Amino acid sequence: AQSVTQPDIHITVSEGASLELRCNYSYGATPYLFWYVQSPGQGLQLLLKYFSGDTLVQGIKGFEAEFKRSQSSFNLRKPSVHWSDAAEYFCAVVLSGGYNKLIFGAGTRLAVHP
Amino acid sequence: DGGITQSPKYLFRKEGQNVTLSCEQNLNHDAMYWYRQDPGQGLRLIYYSQIVNDFQKGDIAEGYSVSREKKESFPLTVTSAQKNPTAFYLCASGSGSEQYFGPGTRLTVT
Repeated sequence: AQSVTQPDIHITVSEGASLELRCNYSYGATPYLFWYVQSPGQGLQLLLKYFSGDTLVQGIKGFEAEFKRSQSSFNLRKPSVHWSDAAEYFCAVVLSGGYNKLIFGAGTRLAVHP
Repeated sequence: DGGITQSPKYLFRKEGQNVTLSCEQNLNHDAMYWYRQDPGQGLRLIYYSQIVNDFQKGDIAEGYSVSREKKESFPLTVTSAQKNPTAFYLCASGSGSEQYFGPGTRLTVT
């Protein structure tokens, strides 16, 4: 079955430390890939997306993600975390073509220590 | 400002009552979506609509209904047949493969 896995439910980092959130997907073909962020009680905001081309994509708020076809992964990174980055992060995929159904991972909740 | 609005932000209902959640967008998107979010489960698709007067069931449509009479509006009705309606509901609209989300409505049914 098609799925998206975010192995880490909770991650805690210190402010200023680097961050990597993992995302793996299981599809036969390369899907379109997304990372969204959600602050408590709010909607989802698109951080970045990958459709094709350069496998390292830059997003908003200083985030980047790297697509690795061999590992079926699309990990999110930030070199220096700020306290305001504390939120829940969702990886999602869309199969190219079709009706653009987003398949979400279960999310990773990020806590930032001062 | 262009965007997606959902109202109300919080909604409380008694068990056995139908309730309608509002979703409006002024992004001129053809596609609109409804998701349900439960803790630890990510988002699950309830219904989607690619064009006015047409919509399809998503993964968890039982106990829900929608309409799409206008491009800008995609209301969701949570019926009394939905066994566990308490959740956070998110509406989205889309252009191509990208989707943009509203702020959500938290529904509590007691």
